[in-house]
Order: sequence, then structure tokens, then C-alpha cells
Amino acid sequence: AQKVTQAQTEISVVEKEDVTLDCVYETRDTTYYLFWYKQPPSGELVFLIRRNSFDEQNEISGRYSWNFQKSTSSFNFTITASQVVDSAVYFCALKKSSGNTPLVFGKGTRLSVIA
Amino acid sequence: KAGVTQTPRYLIKTRGQQVTLSCSPISGHRSVSWYQQTPGQGLQFLFEYFSETQRNKGNFPGRFSGRQFSNSRSEMNVSTLELGDSALYLCASSSPSGNSGNTIYFGEGSWLTVV
Repeated sequence: AQKVTQAQTEISVVEKEDVTLDCVYETRDTTYYLFWYKQPPSGELVFLIRRNSFDEQNEISGRYSWNFQKSTSSFNFTITASQVVDSAVYFCALKKSSGNTPLVFGKGTRLSVIA
Repeated sequence: KAGVTQTPRYLIKTRGQQVTLSCSPISGHRSVSWYQQTPGQGLQFLFEYFSETQRNKGNFPGRFSGRQFSNSRSEMNVSTLELGDSALYLCASSSPSGNSGNTIYFGEGSWLTVV
């Protein structure tokens, strides 16, 4: 069975601090996809990134970066120089690459950035 | 390009009633999925439709049903509402090929309150 664990339920940081959101996953599949989504208070899940299991390159997009380590089954997300607008709930999700299977989500991490 | 559109955004229903939620996917997307989000259970998969056919179903009672139309728009219905059905219902669509792993985009959701 697939499982995603986001051990940090809530994180609070002061604006301009860096923050890392942890994501650990379990799967028996050799190929899979990992995702991060942001959920502001409005409710919409905003897509941030998708990573293939065979691509372990880290990725940077502006102030966002992702560290994928297959050896530790982790896909961590770092926000550099956090801003108040980054306040939201962040979800990590896992999906098999074969078959029409749904996303399996972690419980989410609520990030509060204080001005 | 318009995103995933869900209606209504907010609704209040009484126990025992039924409700229908609507979702218009991104233009050209043929796969539509539904998820239920509650504080206790997190994000859980309901079902997925592709080309008017249900391809996958989550572990929900038969009171939860859905369908997809020829224009890819989808509806989900919950009959005999229970208090525990109060949740945010999120619709998602994915790319035209419908292949597993393609990026999945979510709408803003429909907030259902059952009283």
C-alpha cells in the first residue's frame, strides 16, 4: 500500500526565514510520481510540482526548491526567504505511474508566516 | 486558459436530503476525479471518470455517485445526506491523454455543510 507522511502538522516562521516541509513516502512501486500542492484558505489545491521517481535531480523555482532522495524515500520542500503570502496548508502526494490510480495525500503541513 | 470550475462554491443541506455538485474540467481534459476533504480524514479519493466511464472508485458508500458527460463535465451526487458528509469536495482534471502521472489540476472546491 502507498502512504505519505508529513510529520509536521504546523510550522510557524517569521517572514524572510527559510523553512523546509518534510515529506516521507512508502510505496512498493518502482515507478511513481510525487507532487506538492498548496492550499490557501480559499480551498483550491494549487499545483506546485510533479517529480518522476526516476528523476532525482533537485529542482528550484524562484524561492521554492525541492529535494528528492529516493534512498530515504523523501521529497522535501524548502521555501527560501518566506513571505506572508506563503501561509497555507501544503500537501505532498504520491501516485503510481502505471494504471489509473488516484493521488494518495499526506495529512498536510500548515505553514504560518508572520510579518 | 480557464481552470477547473466547480459549482456551487458553498451550500447548506439538511440531513436526509441529496446534493449534486458540478465540475467543468480544463478545456481538453478528459479525466475528472473527485476528492473529499475533511479535518479528520484528510483528502480521500472518491472516483475518477474518463470519457464518460468510471475508471476507478474509492472506498465510499453507494450514496456517493458520479457521472461524466460527453463534454467531459462531471457531476457527483450524494443522497441521504449525513452530518459526516460535511466536507470540501474537490474536483480535479488531468491532461488530454488521460495517462497516469500527468499533472492533476484542482478546482476551488464545493464547501458542503449538512445540518
